[in-house]
Amino acid sequence: SAVISQKPSRDICQRGTSLTIQCQVDSQVTMMFWYRQQPGQSLTLIATANQGSEATYESGFVIDKFPISRPNLTFSTLTVSNMSPEDSSIYLCSVSIGGGGYEQYFGPGTRLTVT
Amino acid sequence: AQKVTQAQTEISVVEKEDVTLDCVYETRDTTYYLFWYKQPPSGELVFLIRRNSFDEQNEISGRYSWNFQKSTSSFNFTITASQVVDSAVYFCALSEAGEAAGNKLTFGGGTRVLVKP
Repeated sequence: SAVISQKPSRDICQRGTSLTIQCQVDSQVTMMFWYRQQPGQSLTLIATANQGSEATYESGFVIDKFPISRPNLTFSTLTVSNMSPEDSSIYLCSVSIGGGGYEQYFGPGTRLTVT
Repeated sequence: AQKVTQAQTEISVVEKEDVTLDCVYETRDTTYYLFWYKQPPSGELVFLIRRNSFDEQNEISGRYSWNFQKSTSSFNFTITASQVVDSAVYFCALSEAGEAAGNKLTFGGGTRVLVKP
């Protein structure tokens, strides 16, 4: 398994500002993912972040709005830019571990409220 | 494209009752992985089980059991003798294998389980 931490755990932000969320893993992992969970909804993948390459974004998510960094194999950041109330969600990072069938573990999430 | 459907949005039971959560999936791949996660009120996502498409054996872990039926594309989850601590949202998820799929998870809509004392 993996131990994943996220900072901040929660934040309240004003519209038009940006917030950077950090994700730290206790072991080196190749694949990291960022998900969004809007209130009362399921999880939706924002992007896949692999070290040494540009993040791959899912349909409906763009780099200008959600820039991602992956400077090494244990760390990643997601920035939510120019926030609006619709960005109020839980943002979760996850890592994929193992071969021949991957187990995915999630961080505790960052609860973001945009006012 | 892959899809996961959890038709039950909310289930309410009394403690000690059994509860079964349905999960139906769609995929064109022959190799894929199915997952169940628990999300308690604290919000953290807790990994419960991963199953690959070639292993149709049912699995039991304590009060939890899973029934994988490839013929009906279902991967159902049963909690036996439910307890108040089982109250949570449960998500079923699917990941296709292969480099192109990138191990991305597609989640179902979730089923909220409320266990009353």
